Amino acid sequence: QKEVEQNSGPLSVPEGAIASLNCTYSDRGSQSFFWYRQYSGKSPELIMFIYSNGDKEDGRFTAQLNKASQYVSLLIRDSQPSDSATYLCAVNPPPGRKAAGNKLTFGGGTRVLVKP
Amino acid sequence: EAQVTQNPRYLITVTGKKLTVTCSQNMNHEYMSWYRQDPGLGLRQIYYSMNVEVTDKGDVPEGYKVSRKEKRNFPLILESPSPNQTSLYFCASRTGDYSYEQYFGPGTRLTVT
Repeated sequence: QKEVEQNSGPLSVPEGAIASLNCTYSDRGSQSFFWYRQYSGKSPELIMFIYSNGDKEDGRFTAQLNKASQYVSLLIRDSQPSDSATYLCAVNPPPGRKAAGNKLTFGGGTRVLVKP
Repeated sequence: EAQVTQNPRYLITVTGKKLTVTCSQNMNHEYMSWYRQDPGLGLRQIYYSMNVEVTDKGDVPEGYKVSRKEKRNFPLILESPSPNQTSLYFCASRTGDYSYEQYFGPGTRLTVT
C-alpha cells in the first residue's frame, strides 16, 4: 500500500462546476496535510494546508480532513480553466519520528482538466 | 525576491559522467531537500538537510550525494549517473520544523543516455 494515494485522473469538470479531489494516507498518526498545485513543466506551489479535522476554506478552495477515515480532500468551487493542473497531496509523518518535520510524502497527483 | 534557484535547468549527459546540480536559496531557510519526480510515482525525497553540515537520506538516496557547506547552497551530486536517474529534479527549502510552506526551485530535467 502506498503511503499517500490519489486517483491519477484526469478529472474533467466543466467551467463553473466543483472539482472534488481525494487523498488517502496510511500512517494514522500523521498530523499535517498539504495540497500543492503543479502546472505542466512547473514546480509545485502550496495552495492549502490543514491539520485539524473538519473544513478549511481559502477563497475558492476548501480542504477537508477526516483523520478517523484517513483521508483528506480538496474542493475547487467555480472551477476555471486556469485551475487545470495536477494537484498533489502531501503528508507529514507524526511528530517524534526522525526528522518528521522535514519529510513530506507526496501522492502521485490528480490531473484536473477544466473545460470551458 | 525570495526564491530557490537551480542550475542547470536542462541537462543531457552520458552514463558514468559525474555531474552536479546546484541549488541555492536566498531566504535563510534551515531546511533544504532534493526530490525527483517520475510519471506515476510522484515526488520522492532523495536527501534532505536540516542545517549546515547536517544531511540525511530520504526515500531514494541510492546513486546520489549531497553536501551542505553553506546555509544557502545544497548541491546534488551524481558520481556515476545511470539511465534510471533520468528524471525531473526539484530542490526545495523552508524555515524551521513544521513550517508549512515549502518553496520549490524551478526544476532540472536530467536525461542520462
